[in-house]
Amino acid sequence: KQEVTQIPAALSVPEGENLVLNCSFTDSAIYNLQWFRQDPGKGLTSLLLIQSSQREQTSGRLNASLDKSSGRSTLYIAASQPGDSATYLCAVMNTGFQKLVFGTGTRLLVSP
Amino acid sequence: EPEVTQTPSHQVTQMGQEVILRCVPISNHLYFYWYRQILGQKVEFLVSFYNNEISEKSEIFDDQFSVERPDGSNFTLKIRSTKLEDSAMYFCASSGNSQSSTYGYTFGSGTRLTVV
Repeated sequence: KQEVTQIPAALSVPEGENLVLNCSFTDSAIYNLQWFRQDPGKGLTSLLLIQSSQREQTSGRLNASLDKSSGRSTLYIAASQPGDSATYLCAVMNTGFQKLVFGTGTRLLVSP
Repeated sequence: EPEVTQTPSHQVTQMGQEVILRCVPISNHLYFYWYRQILGQKVEFLVSFYNNEISEKSEIFDDQFSVERPDGSNFTLKIRSTKLEDSAMYFCASSGNSQSSTYGYTFGSGTRLTVV
């Protein structure tokens, strides 16, 4: 059974810092991995999608990497801004299935 | 940019009542899903729907739950007799604009269900 873990659970940084969020999964037979952002009481916004054959994806100040064999992904946020404050969720889709298995998230607070 | 639309945004219902949560997925997507998030907990998969039938469901999705795509645009989740523990945020999602591709989920903004 796929288990997804995210560390740290919470992170507080001053504006301008570069930061790394970590995601690990127990079953390496994944089809893809997706990073989402969730604002309090709101829906899930897709940030980056990495297919199992890819090593990384970039969008603006965000870069996500995937090491399937070791069961890890990182989300790198460059030059953080207060508007980046949110919960970041990692989710994996296993090969042969359609459902996403979510981690518990990292709650990020960027202070001005 | 195309969106997944959910209504209502918040629903309060009495225990034992039936509720229907509604969703309009992205028009050219082929796969449809319901997830839920109990306050403070992980987002959990409930059910996926493809080609007018359930393709996968979790242990949570018991006989009290059903899904339907009554027309070409709506996708609904029905809870037959609500319990207090059904209180959660329910998310609809869609993905896959080809039969060979299920990637690239888009989620709606959710319906907060409160059972009293």
